[in-house]
This record gives sequence, C-alpha cells and structure tokens, in this order.
Amino acid sequence: EPEVTQTPSHQVTQMGQEVILRCVPISNHLYFYWYRQILGQKVEFLVSFYNNEISEKSEIFDDQFSVERPDGSNFTLKIRSTKLEDSAMYFCASNKGETQYFGPGTRLLVL
Amino acid sequence: AQRVTQPEKLLSVFKGAPVELKCNYSYSGSPELFWYVQYSRQRLQLLLRHISRESIKGFTADLNKGETSFHLKKPFAQEEDSAMYYCALSSNTGKLIFGQGTTLQVKP
Repeated sequence: EPEVTQTPSHQVTQMGQEVILRCVPISNHLYFYWYRQILGQKVEFLVSFYNNEISEKSEIFDDQFSVERPDGSNFTLKIRSTKLEDSAMYFCASNKGETQYFGPGTRLLVL
Repeated sequence: AQRVTQPEKLLSVFKGAPVELKCNYSYSGSPELFWYVQYSRQRLQLLLRHISRESIKGFTADLNKGETSFHLKKPFAQEEDSAMYYCALSSNTGKLIFGQGTTLQVKP
C-alpha cells in the first residue's frame, strides 16, 4: 500500500539556520498539508497546498515558512531562519478524498 | 470557533474492560469527524470516520450533534489497543483540527 514518506527523520540545527523538510506524498493525491506538533501539545495545521499554490495557511505560517512542490513528487517545507520555538515534530499529509494520510514525521530540534 | 476537545490526557484500563475516549467539538456547519491513532513509534493513521459508520478493530464512534460529541468506544479493550488517540475535525477548507489526544493504556 502506498505511503507518505518524509526525510530526514531527525534534524538538529542551530538557531538562525535554514532547514528544508522533505515529503513525498502518495502519487495520485492532489492535496498536500504540513502540520506540526510541539512536544506535549496538539497537532497543529500549518499550511495546505493544491494545484501548485497555497490554499490555506495558519497564523503560525509566517514569512519564515515556505512550501514548494519542485517536481512531480516532492513537497517541501522550508524554514528560513529557525528559532528555538520551531523545535517540533513536523508531519506531512496528503489526500485525494476525505481521508488524509500522514507521513512518519520529521523531528526538528533547534539549538 | 472551530475546536476539538479531548478532556482526558490519559485513560488507563485493564484488559477486557470497556473503553470510552471522549471527544467534543465546536463547529458551525455539518462536521466531518475522524479518529486517528498513533501506535508507539508509528505514524498517525486513520482509525475511523463518522461518515462511514464502520467498526474498525472493534472500535465504534457515533456522532451526536445534540451533544456535539464523537466519543470512541470499545466494549473489551485489548493490550494492543494501547496507543495515542486523536479526535479530529475536518473544516470546510480541508484542514484537520485536532484535539489534544488521549493516551490509552491497557494493562494486562
């Protein structure tokens, strides 16, 4: 059964550095999402992407964040200048119908 | 405001006991509700959704619009049910709004 994949599984970075988190959604899916979960808190929506553009973004998704679908398979989340509070688990998801399928997540630690 | 509330952070039961994980929501409109489960070291995966009215792994959930609830139930818990359970609401834009999650611990 096809699955959403994410790389890397863990990333440690210094505050102020740029990070790119990568996702490969399920191949025939049309809608893509990023969520994050800070340790001990709920899973929060960041952004949704459809037809090569952002369809919705949350208040968290400020100018430091960007998303891209550089080719037919990858979907990336870039954080330009990381802050300590960006430390979290980042989940990618994709769907075609009502059900969103999640990737295993990338654990980001900003030092 | 769109919101999902799971009042219990931890629910601990013995094997064979009934389980009810509570979920309440706030949404103006017709909600689409889901339960996702996350087993240890695994990804979030869909357990069930209210539209399909199915039973998965013995779990059921009924949408009660009057009480704005979507509680997850199982009559006899098994040790392999131990996991984190998230109730989620799909907004009309497609994003999921999650509750805080409830850790279910089934003791032998």
